Amino acid sequence: EPEVTQTPSHQVTQMGQEVILRCVPISNHLYFYWYRQILGQKVEFLVSFYNNEISEKSEIFDDQFSVERPDGSNFTLKIRSTKLEDSAMYFCASSEMGVGLAGAGEQFFGPGTRLTVL
Amino acid sequence: DAKTTQPPSMDCAEGRAANLPCNHSTISGNEYVYWYRQIHSQGPQYIIHGLKNNETNEMASLIITEDRKSSTLILPHATLRDTAVYYCIVRVAMGNNNDMRFGAGTRLTVKP
Repeated sequence: EPEVTQTPSHQVTQMGQEVILRCVPISNHLYFYWYRQILGQKVEFLVSFYNNEISEKSEIFDDQFSVERPDGSNFTLKIRSTKLEDSAMYFCASSEMGVGLAGAGEQFFGPGTRLTVL
Repeated sequence: DAKTTQPPSMDCAEGRAANLPCNHSTISGNEYVYWYRQIHSQGPQYIIHGLKNNETNEMASLIITEDRKSSTLILPHATLRDTAVYYCIVRVAMGNNNDMRFGAGTRLTVKP
């Protein structure tokens, strides 16, 4: 069964450093997402991406964050200058269709990357 | 989007049906009800979604009341592996509203 994969599974970085989290969505999916979950808290939406551009972003997704689909298979989340409060589990997800299409949009989530900022 | 209310926790005996309620009294006509779950710290997993008719798949059944103000997710024969946090999400189906907004969910514990 196809699945979303994420690398690395755990990333440790120093405050102020740039990190890139990588995701390989399911191959025929067109919509891509990043979510994060701070330990013990709820899953929070960061950004959705379709047709090579951001389609929606939350207030969390500020100028320190960027996303890119550098080739036909990878989808990345970059944090330019990490802060202690960026420590969280980051989940990538993909879907064949957007939620906007008549209730479609089952999202498939990856296993996550645990980011620890020291 | 309509807000949802779920009990913070529930227990269920292994092999019995788990019935997880969700209240969404302010739901509007073009909003769908989605259910996801998160087992321990894994990525959320889609379970089922519906608009107004009851839905069933290999994982669960979704019962939506006629006025659509509440719904119930039913796991017909709960196993220990169904222990997870279950999220009820109401989301409008139009435009670029593609994100899922997760709340606190219901922590279901299936006991032997």
